[in-house]
Parts: sequence; structure tokens; C-alpha cells
Amino acid sequence: DTEVTQTPKHLVMGMTNKKSLKCEQHMGHRAMYWYKQKAKKPPELMFVYSYEKLSINESVPSRFSPECPNSSLLNLHLHALQPEDSALYLCASSHMTGGRGNQPQHFGDGTRLSIL
Amino acid sequence: GENVEQHPSTLSVQEGDSAVIKCTYSDSASNYFPWYKQELGKRPQLIIDIRSNVGEKKDQRIAVTLNKTAKHFSLHITETQPEDSAVYFCAASNPLAFQKLVFGTGTRLLVSP
Repeated sequence: DTEVTQTPKHLVMGMTNKKSLKCEQHMGHRAMYWYKQKAKKPPELMFVYSYEKLSINESVPSRFSPECPNSSLLNLHLHALQPEDSALYLCASSHMTGGRGNQPQHFGDGTRLSIL
Repeated sequence: GENVEQHPSTLSVQEGDSAVIKCTYSDSASNYFPWYKQELGKRPQLIIDIRSNVGEKKDQRIAVTLNKTAKHFSLHITETQPEDSAVYFCAASNPLAFQKLVFGTGTRLLVSP
């Protein structure tokens, strides 16, 4: 059972297209994350949202634009991507630390993105 | 920033054997260390985690040990089964970094029947 839902599962787009990736969770988590994973590599953090506010941007190019419209949803807007941006994009969510230390992050199944 | 090294990159064992994967981290302020299992084409799945106030944690056939002084932590899988075959990632997190996870490079575990 995947408690973090990502859509679409697969996306093929040209370099001039605009598309969005969506992530949804209903676990009451107030921290949400975007990771990028290339083949045979570990996930790399792109963005962190805490209480719907952007907390970390890991120097990601502006052609990736995150958005957190509410506590359950996280979007990643894509525009003018390059072939090297082809990867698996993973969304994750967790509770906030709340003084209890880091909380487990739960991942979605990801969107496999191919840029032509 | 944090840097996590993981060894070995590949590990082949026979069914029933034990498997050990080792990680080292660089940031002494990191205090949360999860392990994820990722099967081919699937999402990373949390299998066990440990905090810096604990030296060892077990969950059935899986255990994790932490040596804060040496900045080492290890995953131990006993009585391995073919379904344990996957890529395993360790990670470390500094509590002051918005729960950012820094992953190791991964270990491909192959369990042969």
C-alpha cells in the first residue's frame, strides 16, 4: 500500500513543454519533499516544504518550480527541461520533528520522466 | 555538509547466510539514520531506523548498529531470503537541516537460492 500518491507514473515531454508532477498524502504530515533519482544512484534532495512553506531549495535550476497549495498536496512544475533532467522524481512526506527528533520519511512510487 | 559513504557496492550471498552493509558519515551533528530498501522500479521503502541515543535496534531478521564515536552504522540481515534481493540505501540526517536526508551510494544485494 502506497500512502503517498504520485501522478503521473510516467511522463514523456519535449524540451519546450510545460507539465506538472503531483503528489498527495493524507497522513497528516506537514513536511513534504521532492527527490530526484537517476538510474543506479541514490535519491538526491531537491526541495523541502515545512508547514506549506519552502524550507530548502538545493540550488535546483529554475526550470523546476515547486508548489505546496495545501498540507496534503505538493506539485512540481516543469518548464524547458533538458535531456539530463530525465530521471525518477520521488515525493516523500513525514511528520514535523516537534521536538521528537527526525521523523521517518515515506516515499511515493515516483514519476518516471523522460525528456526528448 | 554531510557526506555518507556506503560499502560494499554489491553483495552476493547464499540463501540463509547473513549480510552486512556498512556506512560512515561525516557530520557529528547527524542523529537519525534510516535504512531504505528499493526493489527494481519501486519506491524506497523504510525498513529500519536508529537514533543516536541508541546503539542497536532489531526488527525480526534485521538489525542496525550505531557507533557514534567512529561515525559508523551498519545493517545486518540474518537468514537471508531471495526476496531480500534489492538495493539498500543508508542515510543520515542532521536535526538542524529540516530533516534533510543524505543518502549513501547504495548496496545491491543478491540472495541466491
